[in-house]
Amino acid sequence: KAGVTQTPRYLIKTRGQQVTLSCSPISGHRSVSWYQQTPGQGLQFLFEYFSETQRNKGNFPGRFSGRQFSNSRSEMNVSTLELGDSALYLCASSLDIPGDSNYGYTFGSGTRLTVV
Amino acid sequence: GQQVMQIPQYQHVQEGEDFTTYCNSSTTLSNIQWYKQRPGGHPVFLIQLVKSGEVKKQKRLTFQFGEAKKNSSLHITATQTTDVGTYFCAGKVNTGNQFYFGTGTSLTVIP
Repeated sequence: KAGVTQTPRYLIKTRGQQVTLSCSPISGHRSVSWYQQTPGQGLQFLFEYFSETQRNKGNFPGRFSGRQFSNSRSEMNVSTLELGDSALYLCASSLDIPGDSNYGYTFGSGTRLTVV
Repeated sequence: GQQVMQIPQYQHVQEGEDFTTYCNSSTTLSNIQWYKQRPGGHPVFLIQLVKSGEVKKQKRLTFQFGEAKKNSSLHITATQTTDVGTYFCAGKVNTGNQFYFGTGTSLTVIP
């Protein structure tokens, strides 16, 4: 079956712009989480959605937002981009709430965002 | 705030040597997961540990969860070049639903 699909794979934006990233989870997966990965900070948690509800939010400014649709697809938006937002943004889906059963995340290949 | 630290940050081993990465949390964890990320790839789920003192094995990989559920380790016996990558632990705290990823250990295997 198809894995987690993230689009676009690569993106170059200028400071001040906004960007929307998309994630299609594995069919049947209801939980979607977003992570920011940078060489210096590792994997930083952004949000977790389950059945269209945001269950958890990480310590990121309000410029970072997200949502999940009824078909479990998710989007995250970053407004007023800063140079420091350059990173690999990873989406991860899980059949159930990660950790509540024996399910781990299945990660997508990520969207590499470069802010210039 | 909650932190999950891993040591070492980098490890170079000769092929055939053993390798261990350690994960330490400042608070008690409800469960811990381990992931492997190959260079240029994305993290891939390896295993989840839930019980205090739990030990699980996957071929040459041995995973342990500490008695106090604040630390965990991943041990690879007789490393192979296919083991190259960064190994992350991810812990979930009791009071929340958020997974905190460790800082990762990058393993290089020298043939």
